[in-house]
Amino acid sequence: DIQMTQSPSSLSASVGDRVTITCRASQSISTYLNWYQQKPGKAPKFLIYAASSLQSGVPSRFSGSGSGTDFTLTISSLQPEDFATYFCQQSYTTPWTFGQGTKVEIK
Amino acid sequence: QVQLQESGPGLVKPSQTLSLTCTVSGGSISSGSYYWSWIRQPAGKGLEWIGRVYTSGSTNYNPSLKSRVTISEDTSKNQFSLKLSSVTAADTAVYYCARASPGKGYYDTWGQGTLVTVSS
Repeated sequence: DIQMTQSPSSLSASVGDRVTITCRASQSISTYLNWYQQKPGKAPKFLIYAASSLQSGVPSRFSGSGSGTDFTLTISSLQPEDFATYFCQQSYTTPWTFGQGTKVEIK
Repeated sequence: QVQLQESGPGLVKPSQTLSLTCTVSGGSISSGSYYWSWIRQPAGKGLEWIGRVYTSGSTNYNPSLKSRVTISEDTSKNQFSLKLSSVTAADTAVYYCARASPGKGYYDTWGQGTLVTVSS
């Protein structure tokens, strides 16, 4: 299985801050990398696909980059509704696997 | 707009079989080309891919669960289902059904999730 490792596991930030989350794959996955946002008690919400393509309706303050094994999710100016847990997911090969999540908390 | 809804018992005894159904509304499970999948999340933990059934009826399972998992579709009811046998407390989790497009590899539609607790 391809292991997906996110860092940090959690972070504290203020509204307006720039936030960067890293996801590393245990082997190259090209750009088969997706990002999700999950709020407590809710299903994940799909944000970004193919490493850098923004899903329709997702605010432009979210962006993704990377290829191969190293990827990043950036929130350019953190908003109150962005406090949540973020997961990366690889779809290069089955079993599709997820990172362990990064919890973004209010400072 | 397609919507997914999980249903099934919230409590299962150890060694028994967990059975869940995902009802698809707003679209046909047999139209288009999609992976209809099951994903679970233990409390406070990450997401684990269980497996999927393709529109054609073919299936793929997580090797870690393969010996215990069956995913199937019922096109007449517009549903797909999960059966997980010989459950233990480690199978306690929120179970989600979700839809993905093969060519894109991301889950664009999710059910709300259902908590299944394994306990005697």
